[in-house]
Amino acid sequence: GQQVMQIPQYQHVQEGEDFTTYCNSSTTLSNIQWYKQRPGGHPVFLIQLVKSGEVKKQKRLTFQFGEAKKNSSLHITATQTTDVGTYFCAGINTNAGKSTFGDGTTLTVKP
Amino acid sequence: KAGVTQTPRYLIKTRGQQVTLSCSPISGHRSVSWYQQTPGQGLQFLFEYFSETQRNKGNFPGRFSGRQFSNSRSEMNVSTLELGDSALYLCASSQQGRSPLHFGNGTRLTVT
Repeated sequence: GQQVMQIPQYQHVQEGEDFTTYCNSSTTLSNIQWYKQRPGGHPVFLIQLVKSGEVKKQKRLTFQFGEAKKNSSLHITATQTTDVGTYFCAGINTNAGKSTFGDGTTLTVKP
Repeated sequence: KAGVTQTPRYLIKTRGQQVTLSCSPISGHRSVSWYQQTPGQGLQFLFEYFSETQRNKGNFPGRFSGRQFSNSRSEMNVSTLELGDSALYLCASSQQGRSPLHFGNGTRLTVT
């Protein structure tokens, strides 16, 4: 079945440093979604990418979808303490009809 | 618009018992998905319901079941509880299955 792998599992950074998490799917995706879960909270939708090679920005966050639509990345520039949490990617395969979540990358930021 | 509402927030059950969790989706959302979240296991897909029909199912034993009502509210049931069923159970609604998911706060189930 479809598998979505996300790396790294954990990332500890100093405030102000950059952060990147990578998501790789075993199958071609129709689209990919990114979510953020704060400690003790629930996942909250951040963005959806649909087109091959698509790049979207939200302030300090940059999301990319690979040309082959099998991988994606989330990059945060100059992390802040408010960025802490677990970032999940979710790959959607039209044929499978469901979202497959990666295991998430947990980001901690040291002030 | 009210968000996704899950009840109860916390549950403590003993092995062998059964439990029913409830989820009220965002108004207008017809798709409801259920996920199990445990430390180290991420978000594991249980099932998705759309217009009262189960559209997708994850790799969980038959002890896990669900249903959706005509008003899109959904319930999931776990029978013969095992210690390993202790987890946060998250419900998510969307307009359709591939739209962004809106999660509830979850039900934290502890099995002793």
